[in-house]
Amino acid sequence: AQTIHQWPVAEIKAVGSPLSLGCTIKGKSSPNLYWYWQATGGTLQQLFYSITVGQVESVVQLNLSASRPKDDQFILSTEKLLLSHSGFYLCAWSLGGGNSDYTFGSGTRLLVI
Amino acid sequence: QQQVRQSPQSLTVWEGETAILNCSYENSAFDYFPWYQQFPGEGPALLIAIRSVSDKKEDGRFTIFFNKREKKLSLHITDSQPGDSATYFCAASLTGNTGKLIFGLGTTLQVQP
Repeated sequence: AQTIHQWPVAEIKAVGSPLSLGCTIKGKSSPNLYWYWQATGGTLQQLFYSITVGQVESVVQLNLSASRPKDDQFILSTEKLLLSHSGFYLCAWSLGGGNSDYTFGSGTRLLVI
Repeated sequence: QQQVRQSPQSLTVWEGETAILNCSYENSAFDYFPWYQQFPGEGPALLIAIRSVSDKKEDGRFTIFFNKREKKLSLHITDSQPGDSATYFCAASLTGNTGKLIFGLGTTLQVQP
């Protein structure tokens, strides 16, 4: 069975500090991977997606970057956090090839102070 | 411009009643419409989905009614239970259009016992 694991579960970081969030998918080769951001009580805003290793497409510019160093790993990062980066970060995967069913991870809660 | 709209923003029903959540979309080319259920502090989970070739999809107490001509759909939850209290997101995509699942702003449902 496929599993998706996000880390860390929660972070409290200072403005201007760096950030790295991780996501690992097990049990599925070459999945499509996605990063979403959700403000408290808000909708799901897609940030990045990747269909293959080393290839990442940006959907919105939020002073964040993403990388896919391995087939099963997706990393979200920034060198300098802003207050506006606070929120809930969700990683998701799908089969691709026309199947749009997304499976989300349990998320990382980020508070920037 | 919001491509997927949901109403109402919040909804309260009594246990046993039918909750009706509405969704409309702009792009007539969208052909796949999943609904996701999200509990506080968790990632969204796929609840039920419909393709534009169908006008109804049923799964237990959950039913999607789809009107392609009016670009509207609704999620009906019959015999609502307190455990159904969650935020429900309507989403839309084009089959084969990788990375393009568009979410609405969500409807928060509260089921009172």
